[in-house]
Amino acid sequence: AQTVTQSQPEMSVQEAETVTLSCTYDTSESDYYLFWYKQPPSRQMILVIRQEAYKQQNATENRFSVNFQKAAKSFSLKISDSQLGDAAMYFCAYGSGNTGKLIFGQGTTLQVKP
Amino acid sequence: DAEITQSPRHKITETGRQVTLACHQTWNHNNMFWYRQDLGHGLRLIHYSYGVQDTNKGEVSDGYSVSRSNTEDLPLTLESAASSQTSVYFCASSPDPTASTDTQYFGPGTRLTVL
Repeated sequence: AQTVTQSQPEMSVQEAETVTLSCTYDTSESDYYLFWYKQPPSRQMILVIRQEAYKQQNATENRFSVNFQKAAKSFSLKISDSQLGDAAMYFCAYGSGNTGKLIFGQGTTLQVKP
Repeated sequence: DAEITQSPRHKITETGRQVTLACHQTWNHNNMFWYRQDLGHGLRLIHYSYGVQDTNKGEVSDGYSVSRSNTEDLPLTLESAASSQTSVYFCASSPDPTASTDTQYFGPGTRLTVL
């Protein structure tokens, strides 16, 4: 069975600085996707970034980028130039290429200090 | 604009009562999912559907049921609510008919309290 682990329950960063959130996963599948979702206090789950496992190039969306290490089964999220609006809980998720189901990590709460 | 909605947004009920949470999407997505979110567990899959008349159990399906009579709706029913089912419930949908990892889009969530 697939598992996703986020080992940092809480992180904090100074506004305008860079922070990296960690995620590791375990799977025997070859076809899968990885996601980072953001959940602000409003509770809405917002897609931040997505990575296809077959792609070697790391995904980037504006200030958000990932470091995808397939052999190590690691998928970290880097937030550059952190903003107060980035404060939220961040979830790493594994998407099975066989079933389309998502498996979530436990989440990391990010605090952004002004 | 197309969207995914959930109702009610908040619900308080008593142990033993039947409760139904609604999920409606206007994207015409084939795949729909129900998750629950609890502290320390992230989101866990309850039930999912790949199309009309198709339903499947997720990892925490005991005490829950779903039915899919049309593309737009996947209601979640708690047959006899228990205090352990107090949680925040999220519905999600994705378009890929082959279920090959298309992005899931989430509703706003329903906070359910079982007293």
